[in-house]
Amino acid sequence: AQKVTQAQTEISVVEKEDVTLDCVYETRDTTYYLFWYKQPPSGELVFLIRRNSFDEQNEISGRYSWNFQKSTSSFNFTITASQVVDSAVYFCALSSSGGNEKLTFGTGTRLTIIP
Amino acid sequence: EAGVVQSPRYKIIEKKQPVAFWCNPISGHNTLYWYLQNLGQGPELLIRYENEEAVDDSQLPKDRFSAERLKGVDSTLKIQPAELGDSAVYLCASSLEGGVAGVDTQYFGPGTRLTVL
Repeated sequence: AQKVTQAQTEISVVEKEDVTLDCVYETRDTTYYLFWYKQPPSGELVFLIRRNSFDEQNEISGRYSWNFQKSTSSFNFTITASQVVDSAVYFCALSSSGGNEKLTFGTGTRLTIIP
Repeated sequence: EAGVVQSPRYKIIEKKQPVAFWCNPISGHNTLYWYLQNLGQGPELLIRYENEEAVDDSQLPKDRFSAERLKGVDSTLKIQPAELGDSAVYLCASSLEGGVAGVDTQYFGPGTRLTVL
């Protein structure tokens, strides 16, 4: 069975601080995909990134960066120089390949950026 | 490009009443998903369609929930009769060539927030 754990339920930081959201996953599949989604108060899940299990290269997109470590089954997300607009609930998700398109989500981390 | 469209955005009904949610996926996306999101939780898959075919409905409570995607485009999710515990957000998502070329990214709509009184 697949499982995603986001141990941080809520995080609050002051604007311009850096913040890291943790994600730990469990799967028996050798091929799998990891995702991060952002859910602002409007409710829509916004896709941020997808990473497959064979690509452990870290990725940076503007103020966002992701650290994928298979050795610790983690896929952490860092926001640098946080802004108020970053306030949202962030979900980490896992899916296997081979036709099973089900996304297994964590319980989410509510991030609040204090101006 | 228009995103996934859902309606209504909010619905309040009394228990035992029927309710239906509608979803129009991103143009060209052949795979459509319905997820249930309870308060403080991540979404959980209810049903997945490849074109008109429901290829994974193992998590759909079939005694009261039903879904259809008759022409392989838009979809309707129905609950009859609704129970208090059905209060949640119902999310629709779509993806391109799901399962054929591996896992493809799912794009979500804004959801329908259901309140059952």
